[in-house]
Order: sequence, then C-alpha cells, then structure tokens
Amino acid sequence: DIQMTQSPSTLSVSVGDRVTITCRASQTISTWLAWYQQKPGKAPKLLIYKVSSLQSGVPSRFSGSGSGTEFTLTISSLQPDDLATYYCQQYKSYSWTFGQGTKVEIK
Amino acid sequence: QVQLVESGGGVVQPGGSLRLSCEVSGFTFSDYAMHWVRQAPGKGLEWVAVISFDGRSKNYAESVKGRFTISRDSSKNTLSLQMNSLRDEDTAVYYCARDGVGFSYGPNYFEYWGQGNLVTVSS
Repeated sequence: DIQMTQSPSTLSVSVGDRVTITCRASQTISTWLAWYQQKPGKAPKLLIYKVSSLQSGVPSRFSGSGSGTEFTLTISSLQPDDLATYYCQQYKSYSWTFGQGTKVEIK
Repeated sequence: QVQLVESGGGVVQPGGSLRLSCEVSGFTFSDYAMHWVRQAPGKGLEWVAVISFDGRSKNYAESVKGRFTISRDSSKNTLSLQMNSLRDEDTAVYYCARDGVGFSYGPNYFEYWGQGNLVTVSS
C-alpha cells in the first residue's frame, strides 16, 4: 500500500493566520490527491481533489499544491469555522489510503 | 440534494456478524462506485471496500478481506456491507461514501459521505 504521512499532527494557530499542512506519499501518486476536513462527530467533507481543484462550495481561502510525492494544503486566513482535522488521501491505487490527520486548534 | 443514510450498526460479540446498509438519494445510484470507510475511536480514516457502479468489480482492504462482503441493490438505492467473524479491532464508525466520478472504474476521490454508523465489537 501507498503510505501517506502528514505533518504536523497538530497545529495551534490564531484566527487570521496562514496555515500550511504537508502530506508526503511513499511513492509517486502523480496528482491523484484529495484533502478532506472533518469536524468532531461529523463525517469528512471533500475540500480539494486532484491536488488543487476546489470542490464546489468550498471557500477560496483553501488551496492545494504539489505533485509526485509532496503536497500541501493551505488556508490563507484561518477562520473559526476551519477548526477541524484535515486528512490527505491518495487515489492512485485501488487500495485508497489516508494520512493520519492534522488537527488544527486555537492557540 | 445528495443524501447517504447508514443504518444497522450496534454492539456485537467477537466472532459475530452484522450487516450495514446505506440508503442513498439525490443522484442516480447505478452511475457511481460506492465505498465503505471506517474510523476507529479517536483514530484516522481507513478505507474498507469498494464496489463499482455496475456491481461487477469489488475490492477490499487486506484487514477485512475474506470476512466482509460489499454489495449493492439498485432497485432499492441501497449499499450494504456484510461483516462476519468480527474482531475487537473492527470497532469503528463506518461511513458509506460516493465516488467522485460517474461511470468510472476509478480509482477516484470520495465526493459525498454518510453521517456514519457505530459498530462496537465487545464481549
């Protein structure tokens, strides 16, 4: 299986901060990468697919970049509603795998 | 709007069986591959199984292969997961999810998710 590693595991930030989360794949996945947001007790929600394509309805402060094995999710100016855990996911193989998650909390 | 509603979770003893269902609405069920994803308490997301849009192709995580069976009934707009020989480590919230691309054998991202259904394996 392709292993996905996110960093950091936890981010303590302030409202208005720029937030960057990194995701690394154990082998090249081209651009077959998605990002999800999960709030406590809720289902994950698709934010971004194919590295940088914003899902409909997702605020433009979210953006994604990268290719091959290294990817980033950026929140340009953190809002209170963005407090959540974020997961990357590769969909290059038929054994989908997720990163371990990055929890974004208030400093 | 797209809705996925899981049911069938609960408490079961190790070695027991349970069947989860996911009833969908708001889209043409037979056009999309469907998945099950689980999340153990306090842990991350683990993909469990996929069934193609036409039901011809199925794939499973190694951790459940031979014990779980995914199926779909387009007449009832329902996805199912039959779970046998359950273990403590199968305790999790189980989500059904819809593929992001129609008429595709994938692999693709997961565009819509159900609310989740808790399965607890405990004696």
